[in-house]
Amino acid sequence: GQNIDQPTEMTATEGAIVQINCTYQTSGFNGLFWYQQHAGEAPTFLSYNVLDGLEEKGRFSSFLSRSKGYSYLLLKELQMKDSASYLCAVVYNFNKFYFGSGTKLNVKP
Amino acid sequence: GAVVSQHPSWVICKSGTSVKIECRSLDFQATTMFWYRQFPKQSLMLMATSNEGSKATYEQGVEKDKFLINHASLTLSTLTVTSAHPEDSSFYICSAQRTAGPYEQYFGPGTRLTVT
Repeated sequence: GQNIDQPTEMTATEGAIVQINCTYQTSGFNGLFWYQQHAGEAPTFLSYNVLDGLEEKGRFSSFLSRSKGYSYLLLKELQMKDSASYLCAVVYNFNKFYFGSGTKLNVKP
Repeated sequence: GAVVSQHPSWVICKSGTSVKIECRSLDFQATTMFWYRQFPKQSLMLMATSNEGSKATYEQGVEKDKFLINHASLTLSTLTVTSAHPEDSSFYICSAQRTAGPYEQYFGPGTRLTVT
């Protein structure tokens, strides 16, 4: 819902950097989360952006531009365990979370 | 802190029967709980928002008489899938928020439902 778009799948090499983009409908926007989900498991929290700019947390960073309805998740020094789906979730009207379709990241040796 | 549990982890039931799934916040009080459904290789789809002591708010296209939600306390919400059919087979995930607003949701481990 809410036109949240992410690439379906990406492949990157161990040790490299990968950027996963997310675009969304801006009306009613109250915040954006990134989650990691391994197959058959529940999502785990990675980052939260509510203001424009870059939030850095170790190897993971997330960027937000509210005017453009755009965010990205940046993963540095990729490890094999980073192979997972990455979900962009946008909060509308203060408590409704809508998830993008997720980006499946394949990390190759 | 912020642990959410779900029970059962997986369940197999016969078509036409009902299944109840529990979602508990173990170490915090959740003002709001959410129920999601996830089909294979798809993202989470919000089914309903549940506030303690009030009726759940269902998303468009989700049958409230089929998916009964009860949020009896600040630590427990239940989802009952009534008269289950094979097409209801899915991964059901709940999440909980500590307070109202655009805050982090803490997810349960999910319940795999298979209807035969």
